[in-house]
Formats: sequence, structure tokens, C-alpha cells
Amino acid sequence: AQKITQTQPGMFVQEKEAVTLDCTYDTSDPSYGLFWYKQPSSGEMIFLIYQGSYDQQNATEGRYSLNFQKARKSANLVISASQLGDSAMYFCAMSRSFSGGYNKLIFGAGTRLAVHP
Amino acid sequence: DVKVTQSSRYLVKRTGEKVFLECVQDMDHENMFWYRQDPGLGLRLIYFSYDVKMKEKGDIPEGYSVSREKKERFSLILESASTNQTSMYLCASSTGDEQFFGPGTRLTVL
Repeated sequence: AQKITQTQPGMFVQEKEAVTLDCTYDTSDPSYGLFWYKQPSSGEMIFLIYQGSYDQQNATEGRYSLNFQKARKSANLVISASQLGDSAMYFCAMSRSFSGGYNKLIFGAGTRLAVHP
Repeated sequence: DVKVTQSSRYLVKRTGEKVFLECVQDMDHENMFWYRQDPGLGLRLIYFSYDVKMKEKGDIPEGYSVSREKKERFSLILESASTNQTSMYLCASSTGDEQFFGPGTRLTVL
């Protein structure tokens, strides 16, 4: 069965420092995608970054990078130079594609990040 | 700018009421999804639809039904609301990998 595990319910980081949010996954599918979403207190889910299972290089989007270690089945999110606005809930998710062209996302329980000044 | 909207941000209903949660997307996406979000459990898929009038059960469909009569609209129905359906409900749409989410509806069932 497919599963996403986020072992850190909460994390604290000092402003301007880097932080790593952990995510491990379990799947037997050869093709899958890994996502990170941010959910501020307002509730909307904001897409941050995507990594395909066949991508050779780690994905990066501005201050966000995804540390993809396929053999260890981990997809950690690294946020560099944390800002106060980064305080939010962060979800790791994995997709599985179906022949009809749609995908389902499986989410982890989330990690609440607090950035301190 | 892509947009997924949900009919209400906050909703309070009584046990036994029939509840409709509406979701509309303006991106012409084929796929639409309904999730519920509970603390410590993340988002769990209730139902999804990959075309008009087509629907598939997700991981926790019990107590819910859905309707997709038009491509842009996907409705979640609680036939007889119960207190254990108090939750945050999120709608999403996609055409491939990335899913775009609505702002969520926080439903309280008294």
C-alpha cells in the first residue's frame, strides 16, 4: 500500500536559517510524483515544488529545494533563509498516475513550521 | 490566474441535515477531487471525478456522495450529517500532476 510519512509534527527555526522537513514514502509503482504543499493559517493549499520519480536532479524553486533520495524513499523539503511568512503547515504528497490521465494524491499528516524572529 | 472556489468558508449544520458543498473551477480541468482534512491525519480523499457524470470512490467515501453534472462543478453531499463529519473540506482540480486547491470549507455539525 502507498503511504507518506512525516515524522515531525512541529518544527521551530530561527529567521534567516535553513530548515529541513522530512518526508518518507512507500510505493511499489515505478512511476510516481512527489509534491510539497504549504498551508498557511488562512487554509488554502499552496503548491511549492514537484519531483518526478525519474528526474535525475533534485527539484528547486526559489528558496525551496527537494532532497530526493530514491533508494531511501525520502523526499525532504529544504527551505533556505527562512522568513516569518514561512510559518505554516507543510504537507508532503505522492501521486499515482492512472491510465485515464488523472492522478490521485496521498498526503502525509503534515509538519507545522514556526519561524521565530 | 487559475481559480478553484468553494461555496462557503464556514458552515454550521445540525445532525441529520442534508448538506451540499459546492466547488467550481475555471481552468477547464477534467479531474476534480474532494478531500477532508483532520489534525494528525493530513488530507484524505473522499471522492474524485475524471469526467462529467463520472465518479470514483476515494479512501473514505462512507457517508458522502458526489455529483458532477457540469465539467466546472463538483458537489459533495452529506445525505445525513453526523458530528464525526465535522472537518475541513478541500476541493481540488487537475489536468495532470499538479492539483489546484480551493480555500476550503470548515464544516461544523452540531
